[in-house]
Amino acid sequence: AQKITQTQPGMFVQEKEAVTLDCTYDTSDPSYGLFWYKQPSSGEMIFLIYQGSYDQQNATEGRYSLNFQKARKSANLVISASQLGDSAMYFCAMREGVPDSWGKLQFGAGTQVVVTP
Amino acid sequence: SQTIHQWPATLVQPVGSPLSLECTVEGTSNPNLYWYRQAAGRGLQLLFYSVGIGQISSEVPQNLSASRPQDRQFILSSKKLLLSDSGFYLCAGTGKGEQYFGPGTRLTVT
Repeated sequence: AQKITQTQPGMFVQEKEAVTLDCTYDTSDPSYGLFWYKQPSSGEMIFLIYQGSYDQQNATEGRYSLNFQKARKSANLVISASQLGDSAMYFCAMREGVPDSWGKLQFGAGTQVVVTP
Repeated sequence: SQTIHQWPATLVQPVGSPLSLECTVEGTSNPNLYWYRQAAGRGLQLLFYSVGIGQISSEVPQNLSASRPQDRQFILSSKKLLLSDSGFYLCAGTGKGEQYFGPGTRLTVT
């Protein structure tokens, strides 16, 4: 069964606007971690942000923030003030188990973001 | 933080030829290591993971194999490539917390 669902295959966003990328997950493990990665056309996977299941506050990293709604099993990524360089594929991923476990990640299908001038 | 190195960056191989992709890690010891494959326009599929030297777990049956001869070295191999082996191969490593990826190898089997 699909554990990570990203329902938006592609999005256009105007420069300087905010964009929200949806991610829902499915797990029965009380301990898990949620990740967002950015993959530009070059192919490299760039780590953006992490949220642990027991973290009380939503994670933030610069222009990236994670809207974590545990009861809804939702971990949406918000990119504020979009820049042209934000154009890329974005993947949501989950690791089940305690934070120092061996950390197999399960990925969603990704959302292609195109930022327009 | 750790750095993941992969080579080669691109590779074109004929069907039936062997394959060896290498991944090395620096900046951490005893990392957990992973090989992923990404088909064009698709998400990542976990192929193999390793929690230590000589310890390999396979996620999907295929004609690929993996080995970990040293703590910070992870190798993906095949004796005979298939057309379906074409894709983007990513090595990743983690100690605790985030999982870091290498730059990837784009493999085209012709």
